[in-house]
Amino acid sequence: GAVVSQHPSWVICKSGTSVKIECRSLDFQATTMFWYRQFPKQSLMLMATSNEGSKATYEQGVEKDKFLINHASLTLSTLTVTSAHPEDSSFYICSARDPQLTDLSNEQFFGPGTRLTVL
Amino acid sequence: DAKTTQPTSMDCAEGRAANLPCNHSTISGNEYVYWYRQIHSQGPQYIIHGLKNNETNEMASLIITEDRKSSTLILPHATLRDTAVYYCIVRVALGGTSYGKLTFGQGTILTVHP
Repeated sequence: GAVVSQHPSWVICKSGTSVKIECRSLDFQATTMFWYRQFPKQSLMLMATSNEGSKATYEQGVEKDKFLINHASLTLSTLTVTSAHPEDSSFYICSARDPQLTDLSNEQFFGPGTRLTVL
Repeated sequence: DAKTTQPTSMDCAEGRAANLPCNHSTISGNEYVYWYRQIHSQGPQYIIHGLKNNETNEMASLIITEDRKSSTLILPHATLRDTAVYYCIVRVALGGTSYGKLTFGQGTILTVHP
């Protein structure tokens, strides 16, 4: 099946710094990517929908100026957590869909996630 | 998208069938039932989906009731590696305004024990 990668797999940073997380579709072109956040023992929460070449659509309550999303190519989307604070520590997961695939079961593929710890 | 209700946790003995229920009483006619699972500290993995007919693939079977208000995911021969959180999600597929978005509930923590 299609593969989505994330980099880094984990990152530790100091409070106030910015952290960039990459999401790549390795063998297909992803016109749409999704960014989720998952706190310990909680479910995944959708943060934003990223469409190639256009601005991301953020879910209610997600600060777009804090979580910068760039989807400049069909295989790469980046999430930058700006001025990170300890409360931003979480598991960030991206997913990607290939609109060329008409099989609904293959519609969306998830990355392995990035563990962010802000000290 | 319709909301779902799942038991918080379930146990299953290795080698036995695991039957995970999901209630989606407000499902609409154009909404599919999807199942994903998430093994600890990994991204979710697609398992199976269906509209109204029962479905089977190499991983699992999906049984949807005739009124479509509930469904059951069946892992026929559970192994220790099936221990994970299982999410039941209902959503529109092609053409809906929420096309592509998945709304995750709390899911069911399935623990398979020796």
